[in-house]
Amino acid sequence: QVQLVQSGAEVKKPGASVKVSCKASGYAFNGYYMHWVRQAPGQGLEWMGWINPNSDDTKYAQRFQGRVTMTRDTSISTVYMELSRLRSDDTAVYYCARDLNQLADYWGQGTLVTVSS
Amino acid sequence: SYVLTQPPSVSVAPGKTARITCGGNNIGSKSVHWYQQKPGQAPVLVIYYDSDRPSGIPERFSGSNSGNTATLTISRVEAGDEADYYCQVWDSVSDHPLFGGGTKLTVL
Repeated sequence: QVQLVQSGAEVKKPGASVKVSCKASGYAFNGYYMHWVRQAPGQGLEWMGWINPNSDDTKYAQRFQGRVTMTRDTSISTVYMELSRLRSDDTAVYYCARDLNQLADYWGQGTLVTVSS
Repeated sequence: SYVLTQPPSVSVAPGKTARITCGGNNIGSKSVHWYQQKPGQAPVLVIYYDSDRPSGIPERFSGSNSGNTATLTISRVEAGDEADYYCQVWDSVSDHPLFGGGTKLTVL
């Protein structure tokens, strides 16, 4: 069965960086784009970007351009999302989600990133 | 840019029918997907391509899409349906998914 397992919660200071991982299993890793979506406390879903694991192509939401980097390691079926220059309003749960024809059919369990001095 | 508008909240008594709307300019020309998110959990796809149900989703969940409004309908609502619901379309201009603001469904 398809599973997306994310890394554990992180606490970071403002200005630092965080790297969240998402390990995929149960399907052909290279065959599906992966999205990263975040959710601030009490707020809605916000798309951050996607990565094509097959080609390493990426697309980022304009508001994260220059601060976010998405990468993948095909040898271990894992995608990564790194967000730099963290601010307090980056405190959120970060999800990876598999793309299936422009919808998200499977989601990771989420990773809470807390930014606090 | 394209905007999806959902009511912040909808309330319904158990056993009744809940309707959650998602408004957008000519949304009927797009494919709409719906996600359910319970507190502390990741979103779950409940309706895709306007009205299709993934396996494991009860038949009580249905969807429609026409004109400027897409609708998620939950029949015979149960306490376990209480959750946030998000609609999503693909923004073909920007080439990325776009989510509505979410609707909190309360079962009275």
